[in-house]
Amino acid sequence: NAGVMQNPRHLVRRRGQEARLRCSPMKGHSHVYWYRQLPEEGLKFMVYLQKENIIDESGMPKERFSAEFPKEGPSILRIQQVVRGDSAAYFCASSPPSGGTRTDTQYFGPGTRLTVL
Amino acid sequence: DAKTTQPNSMESNEEEPVHLPCNHSTISGTDYIHWYRQLPSQGPEYVIHGLTSNVNNRMASLAIAEDRKSSTLILHRATLRDAAVYYCILNSGGSNYKLTFGKGTLLTVNP
Repeated sequence: NAGVMQNPRHLVRRRGQEARLRCSPMKGHSHVYWYRQLPEEGLKFMVYLQKENIIDESGMPKERFSAEFPKEGPSILRIQQVVRGDSAAYFCASSPPSGGTRTDTQYFGPGTRLTVL
Repeated sequence: DAKTTQPNSMESNEEEPVHLPCNHSTISGTDYIHWYRQLPSQGPEYVIHGLTSNVNNRMASLAIAEDRKSSTLILHRATLRDAAVYYCILNSGGSNYKLTFGKGTLLTVNP
């Protein structure tokens, strides 16, 4: 049973380019969460999505960042016009359909490490 | 969200038990206590969670104080592969799904 998959594992972009990070949740999971870990810091919640719906994007920067989880295919975190401060590890997690309760376990992927030159 | 306090770092020897403490004096009655760990260059990994009673699974044990203001994650026999940052997290409020990661405890395991 494959776990949460993220690709690419490493991504290098120049300032002003776009970064697209992909996340395939565990089989049977319909809830996806994105977190960001800046160097030497803890993980910070960014966004929570269900299929075709953004449930909570309160942790997303107001500009340049967007996320989607289409009916078919992986969830995508998109960062437009990247800046050096976007360099971080981005982790995706998923949980089963009963998601949103206090007991739900989130299963994390290996992360995408974005470096902006 | 209720706050947790953990030591910045701890050290253990291989094959010995490790007790990782967490204080959460402002925990609410319905907060679950979750533990995750993050191995170097990897994503967080669920370890265990509990509400009031002590819990055991194949990875660890969770001992919860009677007043719930603190808890202890117990690794019964530390291995080198247990070296990681361990996070104690409470799930609270309306945004149940948000995991709030603090700085955690960096566990070093000596051979």
